[in-house]
Amino acid sequence: GENVEQHPSTLSVQEGDSAVIKCTYSDSASNYFPWYKQELGKRPQLIIDIRSNVGEKKDQRIAVTLNKTAKHFSLHITETQPEDSAVYFCAASRSQGGKLIFGQGTELSVKP
Amino acid sequence: KAGVTQTPRYLIKTRGQQVTLSCSPISGHRSVSWYQQTPGQGLQFLFEYFSETQRNKGNFPGRFSGRQFSNSRSEMNVSTLELGDSALYLCASSLQRAGNEQFFGPGTRLTVL
Repeated sequence: GENVEQHPSTLSVQEGDSAVIKCTYSDSASNYFPWYKQELGKRPQLIIDIRSNVGEKKDQRIAVTLNKTAKHFSLHITETQPEDSAVYFCAASRSQGGKLIFGQGTELSVKP
Repeated sequence: KAGVTQTPRYLIKTRGQQVTLSCSPISGHRSVSWYQQTPGQGLQFLFEYFSETQRNKGNFPGRFSGRQFSNSRSEMNVSTLELGDSALYLCASSLQRAGNEQFFGPGTRLTVL
């Protein structure tokens, strides 16, 4: 069935370091991969997404890479700041919009 | 442009009761999806509506149902509530069913006693 595995479940870094979160999906028909950030008590917010015809996408300190062959995608955050502390979710979908299959989330803690 | 809104924000019900949650998408968005978020199971897809039609359905029992109105507003209903239905219910809207990112509402926190 459709499944997305996300690692690690918790990640603690020092301010200024980089953070990497990895996800693996099972449905080879998936072609849209968003990342959401959810702060405590707030709604998930889309921070970056990538489509299957692109291998990498960058937006300031955030980048996402996709390896379709391995069915693997990753989120990279550089120069982390305390305000980056949140739970991050990866997701996969067969179409943009529609049914998103989420990973279990990564709780990122950035220590000043 | 106003974001996705959900009402009510908090609900307390007892086992066996039923509940209806409402979601108003961003103006112009025609697709509404519903998700259940719990600490143990994470974010799980319930169903998606586009142009008043259910297009996708997750693996939830028939007690969970939904509908979408002509103005794209959506409701979900849970009948015969169980303790395990306690969760944050999130809806998300997108511009069209296949083409755009999903934007989430603030959620409805349901507690079943």
